[in-house]
Amino acid sequence: SAVISQKPSRDICQRGTSLTIQCQVDSQVTMMFWYRQQPGQSLTLIATANQGSEATYESGFVIDKFPISRPNLTFSTLTVSNMSPEDSSIYLCSVVLSGNYNEQFFGPGTRLTVL
Amino acid sequence: GDSVTQMEGPVTLSEEAFLTINCTYTATGYPSLFWYVQYPGEGLQLLLKATKADDKGSNKGFEATYRKETTSFHLEKGSVQVSDSAVYFCALGSGNKLVFGAGTILRVKS
Repeated sequence: SAVISQKPSRDICQRGTSLTIQCQVDSQVTMMFWYRQQPGQSLTLIATANQGSEATYESGFVIDKFPISRPNLTFSTLTVSNMSPEDSSIYLCSVVLSGNYNEQFFGPGTRLTVL
Repeated sequence: GDSVTQMEGPVTLSEEAFLTINCTYTATGYPSLFWYVQYPGEGLQLLLKATKADDKGSNKGFEATYRKETTSFHLEKGSVQVSDSAVYFCALGSGNKLVFGAGTILRVKS
């Protein structure tokens, strides 16, 4: 497995502001993903973070709202832009380790509350 | 598209009771199947997996068998503990993506 950390672990933000969430892995990984878990709901894939190129977004998610960076094989950021209360969720990053086809390991999550 | 259906919760059991959480899936091809667990205030942990038909995944006393004929991957445990109280997610892996079920809350009372 891998050790995955996220910063911040939680935050309370004002409407209209932006928050950048960091995901750091202790080893190089082939793939990184960002998920959203709205209160009491399941996980929804936001995007695949591609190293050195633009992220691949799922239907319903756009780069202007959720810009993602992945400068190397161990680090990625997700920004939640121009936040509204509907963005209050847990945001999780996950990784696929080399050789473990579609088996994903998750970070601890970032709990975001937007007032 | 691919989808996962889990039994609705919450499921409330007494300690040492038998647990079953039903999970069925719809998918093209031959997906891998997973159970993840989310303890209160924590992220998701992979509990067990199965990658092909008739495989049985097991971990910490939990088991699930990949049944292609019934497109199911039901989670079972013979004797639950209070510490098993958590949300359990069934998921299928298609390509490099995971599709999650809605999650089932398990509450175990002493």
